Amino acid sequence: NAGVMQNPRHLVRRRGQEARLRCSPMKGHSHVYWYRQLPEEGLKFMVYLQKENIIDESGMPKERFSAEFPKEGPSILRIQQVVRGDSAAYFCASSPIGQGYTDTQYFGPGTRLTVL
Amino acid sequence: AQSVTQLGSHVSVSEGALVLLRCNYSSSVPPYLFWYVQYPNQGLQLLLKYTTGATLVKGINGFEAEFKKSETSFHLTKPSAHMSDAAEYFCAQNYGGSQGNLIFGKGTKLSVKP
Repeated sequence: NAGVMQNPRHLVRRRGQEARLRCSPMKGHSHVYWYRQLPEEGLKFMVYLQKENIIDESGMPKERFSAEFPKEGPSILRIQQVVRGDSAAYFCASSPIGQGYTDTQYFGPGTRLTVL
Repeated sequence: AQSVTQLGSHVSVSEGALVLLRCNYSSSVPPYLFWYVQYPNQGLQLLLKYTTGATLVKGINGFEAEFKKSETSFHLTKPSAHMSDAAEYFCAQNYGGSQGNLIFGKGTKLSVKP
């Protein structure tokens, strides 16, 4: 049973370009979470999605960042017009249906974004 | 605001010694608490979690943690460190604002000396 898949593992962008990060949840999981990890910091929650729905985006920056989880295909975290401060590791996690707070979140290996 | 505090950004122990990683939480509602481990350039792996019931929780790789409500703590321990335990450890709690966003501490890097 494959785990959470993220690609690319490493992404380099120049300032002003767009970054697209992909996440395929574990089989049977319909909840996806995105977190950002800055150097020397813990993970910070960004957004929580179910298929075709954004449940909680309270951790998303107001501008340039968006996320989707379509009916078919992976979840996408999109960063427009990247700036150097966007350089970080972005982790996706998934969890199965229905257990709410007690759901175990299974993490992918992360995408390390470097903005030049 | 709810928060998780991990005391000590770096902890170093000798192989075979006790591992103790400290975590204190802040929550106005009963929390669900988690410990994750991260090896270099990898994602996070769940070590153990506390939801309800028994306050001493056993996890993988010989780790365990005890939920102490009176101290708002959830410290992680292992009786005897192994070289392969060297990694970064994160304590986390459920936010409670919606269904399951995790609030993480800043992490503790564990070094194990031969």
